[in-house]
Amino acid sequence: QSALTQPASVSGSPGQSITISCAGTSSDIGAYDLVSWYQYHPGKALKLIIFDVTDRPSGISTRFSGSKSGNTASLTISGLQAEDEGVYYCCSYSGGTTLYVFGPGTTLTVL
Amino acid sequence: QVHLKESGPGLTKPSQTLSLTCSVSADSMSSGAYYWTWIRHLPGKGLEWIGYISYSGATYYNPSLKSRITISLDKSQSRFSLNLTSVTAADTAVYHCAVRTVTKYFFHDWGQGTQVTVSS
Repeated sequence: QSALTQPASVSGSPGQSITISCAGTSSDIGAYDLVSWYQYHPGKALKLIIFDVTDRPSGISTRFSGSKSGNTASLTISGLQAEDEGVYYCCSYSGGTTLYVFGPGTTLTVL
Repeated sequence: QVHLKESGPGLTKPSQTLSLTCSVSADSMSSGAYYWTWIRHLPGKGLEWIGYISYSGATYYNPSLKSRITISLDKSQSRFSLNLTSVTAADTAVYHCAVRTVTKYFFHDWGQGTQVTVSS
């Protein structure tokens, strides 16, 4: 069982916006502004799309945005495109001894 | 960008030791700026941070695996390795190597992953 909680799946039509939630605790998401999000296509390397809750790496579309409220982080993808399909994982630094916790992943389907 | 590539046996028998290697670009390894990381993708359970090693050899392990894992660094070969002892079917996963810059708290580059199945 993952330390963070994400919905198993979300879907949307091209051009729409979707939001993926990632629920943690006061020991991880709530304690640090160190949430990151990764996009995964099976057989390929995971790709960092958001770091430090809201920041985008160079080359990542502005359609991807992140936020946090309390112990829950969110990833929003606007203007959905077919290429956005994949699995999205959230991750939080959690200090202590288990330094990083991940969510179970959310499968995004573009209808 | 740091390029990483995992290698290792696809099949390991229960109770044996799993050994994986991650090859990286030589200039990245020598920079000293990174934590070299192992993360695994457990079927139906998502990602699990295993641990990482610094350029100086300092290691940080997930306490749930600490008694069974060793991460080591071979600077001369520009690679780092994971040894996981006493494996069981629960260790069946896709194992990824990744990298984190020392001053940052996210994994900015990843390998494609290598499937490891534990079965007799």
